[in-house]
This record gives sequence, C-alpha cells and structure tokens, in this order.
Amino acid sequence: DTGVSQDPRHKITKRGQNVTFRCDPISEHNRLYWYRQTLGQGPEFLTYFQNEAQLEKSRLLSDRFSAERPKGSFSTLEIQRTEQGDSAMYLCASSLAQGNEQYFGPGTRLTVT
Amino acid sequence: GESVGLHLPTLSVQEGDNSIINCAYSNSASDYFIWYKQESGKGPQFIIDIRSNMDKRQGQRVTVLLNKTVKHLSLQIAATQPGDSAVYFCAENYNAGNMLTFGGGTRLMVKP
Repeated sequence: DTGVSQDPRHKITKRGQNVTFRCDPISEHNRLYWYRQTLGQGPEFLTYFQNEAQLEKSRLLSDRFSAERPKGSFSTLEIQRTEQGDSAMYLCASSLAQGNEQYFGPGTRLTVT
Repeated sequence: GESVGLHLPTLSVQEGDNSIINCAYSNSASDYFIWYKQESGKGPQFIIDIRSNMDKRQGQRVTVLLNKTVKHLSLQIAATQPGDSAVYFCAENYNAGNMLTFGGGTRLMVKP
C-alpha cells in the first residue's frame, strides 16, 4: 500500500453514461497525476496538478474528460458520454515535488459495455 | 517520436538466479529514470530510481545501471524470488517535466 487510494476499484458502465473516479494522494504530496493504462501497455500520462492548479494536460485528454482538485487534496476524474475505447485502468499518482518519485494508487478499472 | 522501450517482453528465470531487465531510451535530454513493478490488478510499485548524473544505484536486492552513451537502462534483481514475478516498467522524465513516459513492460516469471 503506497498511501494513494482510489475509488471505486472497478466500474462497469454502459456506453454513453458519465463516470467519476476519485483519488486521494499521500497527504503531504502537493503534486497529483492521472494516467491511463490499457492491457499490456505502460501507463500513459493524462494530466497533472500542483496543489489545486491543473498545469498540464495530454492530448489524450479529450473534451469528454475533465479533472479537478478543488482543495489541493483529493482529485476527481470525470468521463462524460463514455465510449468503449475508454475502457482501461485509470491510475492516480502523487509526488512531493517535481522530479521526485511518483507513488501510484491501485487504479480504477473501467469497463464500458 | 522519442520513446522508452524494452528489449524483451518476457523473461523467465529460476528461483535464486539473478535477473536482468533491460530498457532503451531515445531522448538524450532524459534526466531521471524509474523502475516500477506491477502485479496483476495493482498499480505500479516504485522500485528504484536514478538520475542522469549517476551510472549506478543500489537498493535492497536491486541495482539500476544507466549507460548514457548508448541510452540504456537496466534493472538487476539478485537472488530472484517467486514474489518478484510481475511486469516491470522503466519510465523516464525529461527536462524536469511533470509526466513520466513509460515503456511497454517486461514480464518476469520466476520458476520454483
């Protein structure tokens, strides 16, 4: 257990529905990252927060995706109008500072039917 | 584009032997590298990291070697145990950026 928690661990939804995932980072970490991982591949960066500010977004993050970190602590990732291609493991990571090791949570596995 | 990759998708070793997992990177600006271990159904677990001003770093039973001349990174696991069975990813961070770029992973299988 790295100290990063994610909820839910699994989510099955029908195409077109909205889903929201939550990440609670290690408490003293001010940096929070979202990644997406498909089967057999390494994680791919989606977005990054420093405190409450979202400072970087990948081109993978389409308009249907939105992430927030309102109080600089936990973060949510929402996917609107889900598509089957959104099926993946969504991983959250946190770090103390830039260039330091990122600790990952257990992930939320999303299946879109 | 520039990427981080791995030479071997699957590595099978006998329990007690040493394991070596290799990784090639192409971005000469990369200045920080991490090895992660990922077990089925779990998130990546940090193993060891190394910065570009070093060529070797040792942890408990693990050693990471960095060869900047040929842009090569390796993870050595001593006395491999069944609990080491997992997928191993190398990741790079460059220009003090905020994202990690991961390779495709190597599956390590330890035979008893």
